[in-house]
Formats: sequence, structure tokens, C-alpha cells
Amino acid sequence: KNQVEQSPQSLIILEGKNCTLQCNYTVSPFSNLRWYKQDTGRGPVSLTIMTFSENTKSNGRYTATLDADTKQSSLHITASQLSDSASYICVVVMNTGFQKLVFGTGTRLLVSP
Amino acid sequence: NAGVTQTPKFQVLKTGQSMTLQCAQDMNHNSMYWYRQDPGMGLRLIYYSASEGTTDKGEVPNGYNVSRLNKREFSLRLESAAPSQTSVYFCASSATLNTEAFFGQGTRLTVV
Repeated sequence: KNQVEQSPQSLIILEGKNCTLQCNYTVSPFSNLRWYKQDTGRGPVSLTIMTFSENTKSNGRYTATLDADTKQSSLHITASQLSDSASYICVVVMNTGFQKLVFGTGTRLLVSP
Repeated sequence: NAGVTQTPKFQVLKTGQSMTLQCAQDMNHNSMYWYRQDPGMGLRLIYYSASEGTTDKGEVPNGYNVSRLNKREFSLRLESAAPSQTSVYFCASSATLNTEAFFGQGTRLTVV
């Protein structure tokens, strides 16, 4: 079964601290993996897109890693800010002729002052 | 830049009522999608339209119909709303079926 599992479900950190969110997937055939940020009451916004051959990709203070062998990805947030409070969703795109997206349930991050 | 615009943002329906959720994009994208997001579950695809004039079922199409009115607009219709359709609905669009999708802000629908 094609699944994307994320951990932890929720996380509270102090402003300025770093954190790492995890994503494990069993999706096949694999096309690419995406991390989205979803603010409360808003739609998801793409942070990074990683293909099979990419191990690391950064977007400002966000760094995603991908290990296609173990089917694991992580999203590392450096020097967290209050505006980082959101849900972070891992999405794996299947290579099926059209972009079938398999969504994780997300990690809800709260950055506390 | 508006991107993907959904209307309404909030709606309360009684069981059995019908309504149409509207979605429009101004990015000249060919492909458009409707998802629903429920607590504890990832977004699930209801219907999608690869290009103007075509629509296809996603994972959870039962109880819904769609219309790709033109290249810009893709509407989702609930003919007879049920409490199980209480959810947040997201419209998305992409240049093609295999490029990055951009999401609207969502419609929070409650069926009582």
C-alpha cells in the first residue's frame, strides 16, 4: 500500500532552536518528494522538491534530505522563527503518467517565544 | 498575483442540500484538481482535470461531480450533501500533470 508516514505528529520548540521532521514512505513507483508548509486556514505551499538523484536541497532556513534507498526524508529547520509555526506535510509523487500525490498527515510545529 | 482562488471560504449546508464550490486560476495552467482534507488524514484527490475538456476521478469521487468550465475554472458540485462530506476542500492547479501544484486557500464546508 502506498503510504507516507510522518513523525512526530506535533512538536513545540523555542524560538531560535533547530528541529528536524521525519518522513518515511512506501510509495512506488517514485517520481519525487516534496515538503509543503501549511499555515492554519491556508493551502499548502511548496518548500522543496527532490528527485531520486538528489540527497539534499535547501530553501533558506529549510533543508530537506532524501535517502531513496531507505525511503526516508527529513526536513531540518534552522534558527526557528515564530512564523515557522505551521503544519509541514511530506508528499511523495508517484510516477504513474500523471502526478498522483500521496500526502502524509503532517507534523504540526509550534514555535514558542 | 491571485494564483488559485476558491469561493466560498466557509459554508454550512443542511443534509440533502446541494452546492457548488468554485475555483479559478490565473496562471494559465492546464491541469486542475480538487482535494479534501480531513483531520488525521492526508489530502485526498477527489477529481482532476488534465486539460480543458477532460475530467477524471481521483481516490474519493463518490458524492461529487466536477465541471471544467474553461481553462481557468474548475468547479466541484455536491448534489446531495451528507455529514461525511464535512471537510476542508482545496483546489489546486499545475502547468501540466507532472509539474508543481499550487493550492488555493481552501473552503471549509460543514454539513449538519
